[in-house]
Amino acid sequence: GNSVTQMEGPVTLSEEAFLTINCTYTATGYPSLFWYVQYPGEGLQLLLKATKADDKGSNKGFEATYRKETTSFHLEKGSVQVSDSAVYFCALSDQGGSEKLVFGKGTKLTVNP
Amino acid sequence: EAGVVQSPRYKIIEKKQPVAFWCNPISGHNTLYWYRQNLGQGPELLIRYENEEAVDDSQLPKDRFSAERLKGVDSTLKIQPAELGDSAVYLCASSATGVRNEQFFGPGTRLTVL
Repeated sequence: GNSVTQMEGPVTLSEEAFLTINCTYTATGYPSLFWYVQYPGEGLQLLLKATKADDKGSNKGFEATYRKETTSFHLEKGSVQVSDSAVYFCALSDQGGSEKLVFGKGTKLTVNP
Repeated sequence: EAGVVQSPRYKIIEKKQPVAFWCNPISGHNTLYWYRQNLGQGPELLIRYENEEAVDDSQLPKDRFSAERLKGVDSTLKIQPAELGDSAVYLCASSATGVRNEQFFGPGTRLTVL
């Protein structure tokens, strides 16, 4: 079945550091790929998405590129802020019209001032 | 615009007791989802509704879990009886027709079964 694998956390960075959170997937067909963020005490929020190969999703300084050849969708940000501290989830929606989201386990990011 | 509303936010019960969670989706969203998120894991879909019809309930443990979405708006998820392993965060999400992949999540209900 479809699955998503994220790098293990937690990740701790200093403010203004470069961030990469790795995400790879296994899926049949051509899934859509997502990054969701969960701030403490809040629900998941869609951060960015890409629906086809080579698409780049971007939002709030975060970027991720849909790489079909490496089945990856790594999240990057050039300069993190304390306010980026949260748990980040990579997810895919399987083809076939089910619209079911399959999530990775999440990566907790802590940014220190 | 109001987001997805869930209640209660927290619930602590003894095992074998019943429990219910309530969700009010974003106005106009026809699709409603219930997910379960175990500690340290990503959410997993339990059930998906299109209006009042459950179109995907393959992951719902039907021996003890039930859900309803009367009138195609609010939804209730029930567990009876609860077991220790049911301790988790129960998330509700909704999406609009035509942009189904953009799911908007509520804050969740954290259930602790003692």
